Amino acid sequence: EVQLVESGGVSVQPGGSLRLSCAASGFTFSRQTMSWVRQAPGRGLEWVAKMKEDGSDVSYVDSVKGRFTISRDNAKNSLYLQMNNLKAEDTAMYYCAKGGGGCCFDYWGRGTLVTVSS
Amino acid sequence: QSALTQPASVSGSPGQSIAISCIGTSSDVGTYNLVSWYQQYPGKAPKLIIYEASKRPSGVSTRFSGSKSGNTASLTISGLQAEDEADYYCCSYSDGNIWVFGGGTKLTVL
Repeated sequence: EVQLVESGGVSVQPGGSLRLSCAASGFTFSRQTMSWVRQAPGRGLEWVAKMKEDGSDVSYVDSVKGRFTISRDNAKNSLYLQMNNLKAEDTAMYYCAKGGGGCCFDYWGRGTLVTVSS
Repeated sequence: QSALTQPASVSGSPGQSIAISCIGTSSDVGTYNLVSWYQQYPGKAPKLIIYEASKRPSGVSTRFSGSKSGNTASLTISGLQAEDEADYYCCSYSDGNIWVFGGGTKLTVL
């Protein structure tokens, strides 16, 4: 069974930093593109970033470029999102999703909540 | 990086069929067949229900179907059931090696 478990979401002040983690199991993590997708409270889904299985083919939504960095550790079956210079508009549930290299996002975690507020 | 356009809400009675449109551009829906649809219940993670515009993942009800024509993709739900009441999102691969979602459609089963 595919499982994606996010962690690291907390309340942080504007300008602060945060690192989200996603622990994956139930599939061959080292062979899959992985993505982060977020959802602001009461709003729709927004794709944030993706990374290919070998760490290449990295891309970001314009609103986070230069502030967020996606990374992965295939030995630990883990995906990460380093978030710097956080803004109020980054407040959202952040989902780890399997896919983004083509096709679709076929499995999702339950999400971790990031709140940016003073 | 504009979002795809979906109606904010649709409704239908049990047993009826409804369709949700997803309007994109030649930079996304019109060029790539990588359109997918997701169902999301309140407080839950999204679930993939259609991929590559018209394919259904294993285990997804045959009442869900997808299509694409030009810059517009559509999700059709036939034989509407109370359990179909949820939010639905379309998504497409886009120029620039990015993904874009629609704004979401709230389905109400009357």
